[in-house]
Amino acid sequence: GQQVMQIPQYQHVQEGEDFTTYCNSSTTLSNIQWYKQRPGGHPVFLIQLVKSGEVKKQKRLTFQFGEAKKNSSLHITATQTTDVGTYFCAGPRGSARQLTFGSGTQLTVLP
Amino acid sequence: NAGVTQTPKFQVLKTGQSMTLQCAQDMNHNSMYWYRQDPGMGLRLIYYSASEGTTDKGEVPNGYNVSRLNKREFSLRLESAAPSQTSVYFCASSESLGGLGEKLFFGSGTQLSVL
Repeated sequence: GQQVMQIPQYQHVQEGEDFTTYCNSSTTLSNIQWYKQRPGGHPVFLIQLVKSGEVKKQKRLTFQFGEAKKNSSLHITATQTTDVGTYFCAGPRGSARQLTFGSGTQLTVLP
Repeated sequence: NAGVTQTPKFQVLKTGQSMTLQCAQDMNHNSMYWYRQDPGMGLRLIYYSASEGTTDKGEVPNGYNVSRLNKREFSLRLESAAPSQTSVYFCASSESLGGLGEKLFFGSGTQLSVL
């Protein structure tokens, strides 16, 4: 079945450093979503990408969808302590309602 | 608006006991979901309901049953709990993003331990 792999599993950065997490799918995706989960919290939707090669920005966050629609990345510029949490990518498996989540990248920001 | 509300927040069961996790949403969403989250494994879909009156299996349905009671409520039942079902359970509902995807709204989760 479809697998969504995410790396790295953990990342520790100093505040102000950049951070990138990568997501790779074993199959072509119609779209990819990103969610953030704060420690002890629940996942919160960040964005959806649908077009090949699409790049979207949200303040210091840059999201990319690969040309082949099998990979994606999330880049955070100049991390802040508020960026702490686990970032998940997710792609549809079959129908739009069956999302397969990556295992997540847990970001720690050291002040 | 409360969004997605789950109860209980914490539960400890003994092996073989049964329980029902409750979930309600007030956003008038058609679709609702149950996920489980285990360390290092992301979120895995247990069951979902695309609309009132329908339910479908997700990735890991074994050992669980669901009921879509009405448009607002979607419950998850463990008939005979096993230690492998120790996990954090999230209920979610979704709104369409215009045909290609569904934006999920999650509840605050239920931490379940089966001894």
